[in-house]
Amino acid sequence: EPEVTQTPSHQVTQMGQEVILRCVPISNHLYFYWYRQILGQKVEFLVSFYNNEISEKSEIFDDQFSVERPDGSNFTLKIRSTKLEDSAMYFCASTGLVSGNQPQHFGDGTRLSIL
Amino acid sequence: GESVGLHLPTLSVQEGDNSIINCAYSNSASDYFIWYKQESGKGPQFIIDIRSNMDKRQGQRVTVLLNKTVKHLSLQIAATQPGDSAVYFCAEKGNRGNDMRFGAGTRLTVKP
Repeated sequence: EPEVTQTPSHQVTQMGQEVILRCVPISNHLYFYWYRQILGQKVEFLVSFYNNEISEKSEIFDDQFSVERPDGSNFTLKIRSTKLEDSAMYFCASTGLVSGNQPQHFGDGTRLSIL
Repeated sequence: GESVGLHLPTLSVQEGDNSIINCAYSNSASDYFIWYKQESGKGPQFIIDIRSNMDKRQGQRVTVLLNKTVKHLSLQIAATQPGDSAVYFCAEKGNRGNDMRFGAGTRLTVKP
C-alpha cells in the first residue's frame, strides 16, 4: 500500500539554526499538509499546499516557517532560526482529491529536538 | 471557542471486550469526521471516516456513530485485541476547508 515517507526520523538541532524536514507524499496525491504534535499534546495543523502554493495556514505557521515542493516528489518544511518550543513531532500528510472529505494519510513523522 | 475534545484520556479494557471511545465537537458546521489510531513512534493511521449526512458507518470490527444533535462522535471496536492498544484521535474538518482539527486523544490499553 502506498505510504507517505518522512526523513529524517529524528533531527537534533541547535537553537537558532535552520532545519529542513522532508516528505515524499503518496505519488498521485495533490494536496499536502504539515502538522505538529508537541509531546503529549494533540496534533495541530500547520499548513496545506496545493498547486505549488500554500492554500491554508494556521496561526502557528508564522514567518519562520516555509514550505516548498522542489521537485515532483518531495515536499519540505523549513524552519528558520529554530526555537526551543519548536521541539515536536512533525507529520506530513497527503490526500488525493482537490476538495475535502477524503482521509489524509500521514507519515510516521520527524522528531525535532532543539537544544 | 470551537474545539474537538475527548471525554476520557484513558480507557482500559479486557481482551475480547468491546471498546467505546467518545469525542465531543462544538463546530456544528463540521461535515466530515475521521478516527485515527496512533501507535507509539508512528503517525496517525486512518481507521474510519463519516460524513455529516450519515449517523453510522461500519468497518471491519469498528463502527463510528455520529450524533449531530449533541455533537458527539464515538468509535466502537468489537472484540478488542492487544494490537488495538494505541492512542485514538477524533478529527473534524476545520474551518479553513482542508485542515483536520484533532482532539486530545484517548489512550486505549487492552489487557490480556
